[in-house]
Amino acid sequence: DAKTTQPTSMDCAEGRAANLPCNHSTISGNEYVYWYRQIHSQGPQYIIHGLKNNETNEMASLIITEDRKSSTLILPHATLRDTAVYYCIVRVDPTLTGGSNYKLTFGKGTLLTVNP
Amino acid sequence: KAGVTQTPRYLIKTRGQQVTLSCSPISGHRSVSWYQQTPGQGLQFLFEYFSETQRNKGNFPGRFSGRQFSNSRSEMNVSTLELGDSALYLCASSLDRTDNEQFFGPGTRLTVL
Repeated sequence: DAKTTQPTSMDCAEGRAANLPCNHSTISGNEYVYWYRQIHSQGPQYIIHGLKNNETNEMASLIITEDRKSSTLILPHATLRDTAVYYCIVRVDPTLTGGSNYKLTFGKGTLLTVNP
Repeated sequence: KAGVTQTPRYLIKTRGQQVTLSCSPISGHRSVSWYQQTPGQGLQFLFEYFSETQRNKGNFPGRFSGRQFSNSRSEMNVSTLELGDSALYLCASSLDRTDNEQFFGPGTRLTVL
């Protein structure tokens, strides 16, 4: 799996958009970008994933650059409950491997603090 | 529907003892994986089970073992506990091994004294 680089921490004002960057310059053509977050004292929570097109769901938007070397997770209107560690993970779609790469490899992530 | 449940939530043991942690996946989910989380090493993959078979194993000593039952429930066991085994142990489940989304439980906080 390609390595990812994320800032250690970020701050965001409540109600504003939070933009969390992730660099994955060695990503290969069949690797997806996944985002999970972990709120203090809870298990990680899946947010979103994508290959090359921008993706949006009820939680967030994922913007992947055209060369796929970096991506940004956007929380459009951050709330205090969005304070968490956000992990960017790169992995080949397990449907292509029959699930042999099922495991997730977590880095250090970005601690996002949403301030009132 | 109910999420992933893990029992117990908190556990205190002493060095040399052994411990068994339990994970009940979301109903219908057949893949279960285990992770260890410590402040120093972060989240590390332990092992993965599907159809009662271990499919993948992380880089942990043989003191760490697990199993999965026919109802997909899983247990992990750590024998001869060491101080460094103090950690949050997380279980995750998904429909199968090709599912893109894994659902994590709240974890079991193990403290080894």
